[in-house]
Amino acid sequence: GAGVSQSPSNKVTEKGKDVELRCDPISGHTALYWYRQSLGQGLEFLIYFQGNSAPDKSGLPSDRFSAERTGGSVSTLTIQRTQQEDSAVYLCASSDDPTETQYFGPGTRLLVL
Amino acid sequence: GEDVEQSLFLSVREGDSSVINCTYTDSSSTYLYWYKQEPGAGLQLLTYIFSNMDMKQDQRLTVLLNKKDKHLSLRIADTQTGDSAIYFCAESRKAAGNKLTFGGGTRVLVKP
Repeated sequence: GAGVSQSPSNKVTEKGKDVELRCDPISGHTALYWYRQSLGQGLEFLIYFQGNSAPDKSGLPSDRFSAERTGGSVSTLTIQRTQQEDSAVYLCASSDDPTETQYFGPGTRLLVL
Repeated sequence: GEDVEQSLFLSVREGDSSVINCTYTDSSSTYLYWYKQEPGAGLQLLTYIFSNMDMKQDQRLTVLLNKKDKHLSLRIADTQTGDSAIYFCAESRKAAGNKLTFGGGTRVLVKP
């Protein structure tokens, strides 16, 4: 079946604008994760959703970052008032159980000018 | 907090074995992983090992885990040019929802 998909694949925005990044996990996967890959910070965890439980937001770098997961499937990561340091590749992963391995999407490359 | 360290770079000749090393600090890690990232591509899961195992072999890949020293290694036998990529070590804890903590990545260059 289809893997994890993310859109857009690339996004260029101006400093101060809001952006929305989308993740479609593998069908039936209950756990969904967002990570960020940047030159300065490497790969870092952002947020984790599991079923109907409250999300683990412990990795979000500031209150400008938020994420939703609607209907237990698609997730949207929103960055408000983007800054240049938000430039990174944003990766989404899903697993069919938190104890199982995560499969990654291709990422969204965000450039904030 | 958790910390995962890797060497930055490894150069190897085609046909030789590659060994990529990783150390971690969290003694309560449940799983340890190796991911591969090729230029412009996403992360590909190569293999993983439960923290109560010492070794796992999967075709050309051998993972060794020394839990006492918190040391993980990935050996790639008969390295090919297609193995040139960045390799990330990662750990997770079941109690923390298995969110991954990554090392900085080891860039492997395979020379013909």
